[in-house]
Amino acid sequence: AQSVAQPEDQVNVAEGNPLTVKCTYSVSGNPYLFWYVQYPNRGLQFLLKYITGDNLVKGSYGFEAEFNKSQTSFHLKKPSALVSDSALYFCAGTSGGYQKVTFGIGTKLQVIP
Amino acid sequence: DAGITQSPRYKITETGRQVTLMCHQTWSHSYMFWYRQDLGHGLRLIYYSAAADITDKGEVPDGYVVSRSKTENFPLTLESATRSQTSVYFCASSESAASTDTQYFGPGTRLTVL
Repeated sequence: AQSVAQPEDQVNVAEGNPLTVKCTYSVSGNPYLFWYVQYPNRGLQFLLKYITGDNLVKGSYGFEAEFNKSQTSFHLKKPSALVSDSALYFCAGTSGGYQKVTFGIGTKLQVIP
Repeated sequence: DAGITQSPRYKITETGRQVTLMCHQTWSHSYMFWYRQDLGHGLRLIYYSAAADITDKGEVPDGYVVSRSKTENFPLTLESATRSQTSVYFCASSESAASTDTQYFGPGTRLTVL
């Protein structure tokens, strides 16, 4: 069975500092990996995805994620955090077939002014 | 461009009552999904639909019923609501079945079962 883990319930970072939100995955075959963001009282919004090719994926709002096959990780990063980045971030993954994507439990990002 | 909408946004009901949550998308996406979001569990798939009149179970289907008579609508019915079904429900859609396809989410329905 496929699984996605987000080991941190919450990440706190000072405004202007780089941020990392961690994600590890366990899927058979080639993984397809996603990051979504959820602002309060809103639905999830797509940030970026890894399908194949370059291990560094660039997405919306200045976010990027690095796919590391040997460590089975797909960490979300941003060079300089903004207070407006404060939200709940979900990592998701699947190995193919129907869209039965598995979501992580989410990581709350708090950017401190 | 409305995208994907859900109604109601908030609902309070009592144990044993039937409740229907509505989902409507304007993109003519083939695939639609229902998830529930609970603290400590993230999002869990309840049901999904590949097209009109084609539905299938997800991870947590018990106590729920879906239908899809039209491509744009995908209602979720709790036939006899239980307290354990108190949750936030999200509808989503995607253009195709490809695993690489992005899902687009509605704003959610917060359901409380007393």
